This record gives sequence, structure tokens and C-alpha cells, in this order.
Amino acid sequence: EAGVAQSPRYKIIEKRQSVAFWCNPISGHATLYWYQQILGQGPKLLIQFQNNGVVDDSQLPKDRFSAERLKGVDSTLKIQPAKLEDSAVYLCASTLSGQGMFRAYEQYFGPGTRLTVT
Amino acid sequence: AQSVTQLDSQVPVFEEAPVELRCNYSSSVSVYLFWYVQYPNQGLQLLLKYLSGSTLVKGINGFEAEFNKSQTSFHLRKPSVHISDTAEYFCAVSPDYQISGSARQLTFGSGTQLTVLP
Repeated sequence: EAGVAQSPRYKIIEKRQSVAFWCNPISGHATLYWYQQILGQGPKLLIQFQNNGVVDDSQLPKDRFSAERLKGVDSTLKIQPAKLEDSAVYLCASTLSGQGMFRAYEQYFGPGTRLTVT
Repeated sequence: AQSVTQLDSQVPVFEEAPVELRCNYSSSVSVYLFWYVQYPNQGLQLLLKYLSGSTLVKGINGFEAEFNKSQTSFHLRKPSVHISDTAEYFCAVSPDYQISGSARQLTFGSGTQLTVLP
């Protein structure tokens, strides 16, 4: 079974530029999450999708961050314009849904995209 | 809302010695508990989980954890560590969706860097 795929793995941009990250979850996983992990901290949830609908985006800085999952499969997270404090690893995770209560709690993570804003 | 406290940010230990990584949580509803491991430049990998049943749970790579509801703790232990266990370890909680109705989301602690010394 292929894991969660993310690209690019690394990105360096200047402040005020825009950047996009891509995630392809495990096949059949209906729920998809984007996390921001700042150096020295645990991952913080940015947005949660169920199929192509948003479940929770309360922690997404909507003035500069946007995310979509148009066909309910892969997803894109965008930052425009980037700030220095956006330097972090952006993690994508996915879970099964409706396949049994407990399995829906097990999140599978991709390798992440390390963003450096200079 | 939930919160997770990992009391030790760094734990150095000699190879073949036992180790305990501490985790305490706070929540107004029932939660499920997880430990994830993150190797350098990689995503998070599920180490073990407590969802129900026995409070002593065993995971991969010889790790185990004990859920203590009265002390709201979920400490991770290994009787004998190896060099290859050097990594960042994250404790996480998710509210019980069936009871709270909250979306299945993880709240992470700030992590513990385990360094195994030769």
C-alpha cells in the first residue's frame, strides 16, 4: 500500500512570494489533514477535509493560507504572501472514514515539505 | 479543548538502558491517546495507541505505554534502547468522537528528543 505522498520536499522562497504544496493521501482515505510543524514544536492542525468538504479550518490563517481538495482525493495548500514566520514543515495526513470506529482515528503522515522563507 | 504536556524536551540515555518519556494530558471529554515517532527529515509514524481495553499497550520497536486515567498520563517506556531509537517522540490525544461529537483531530505535545548514546 502506497503511503501519503507530498511534494515538493523542500522549498526556499523570499518573503511576500507565494508557494503551493501538494498532497496525495492513501487510496481510499476520505479524511485529509494539513499540519504546520514549527521547529521545536509539535504539529498544529491547519485544516481538515472530509472528501472534498472542509470539516474544520478554524486554525488556518485565511488572510494568507488557502487549501482545496476539489475531487476529494489530492489536496493543495497555498500561502500567499509568505511571511518569515511561515518557515516550518508542512505535513499532510490521512485516515480512513466509516471503516470502523477505531481505524478512523489512526492518521498516516506524509514525509512533509520543509519551507524556508528568507 | 485538549492539551498535551511532554515534560522533558530532551532525554539522553545510554544504549541498552531503560527509558521513560512522560506525557500528561488535559481534556473535558474522554480521549484516545497516541505516541508518534519522527525520524530526521521524515513524517510521523504511529508507535502505539490506546483506544480501549487494557491500559497497558504495546507498540512497534519494543515500546509500550500505560494509560493512567486518574493521573491523566500516558508515559512511554522501553526496557532497553538502541542507537536506532534516536528520534523525536510526540504524544497526542484525540477526543472520543462518539461522545463529544468533535471531529477526529489530534492535539500534539511539543515533543521529546530521545538521544541514545553509545
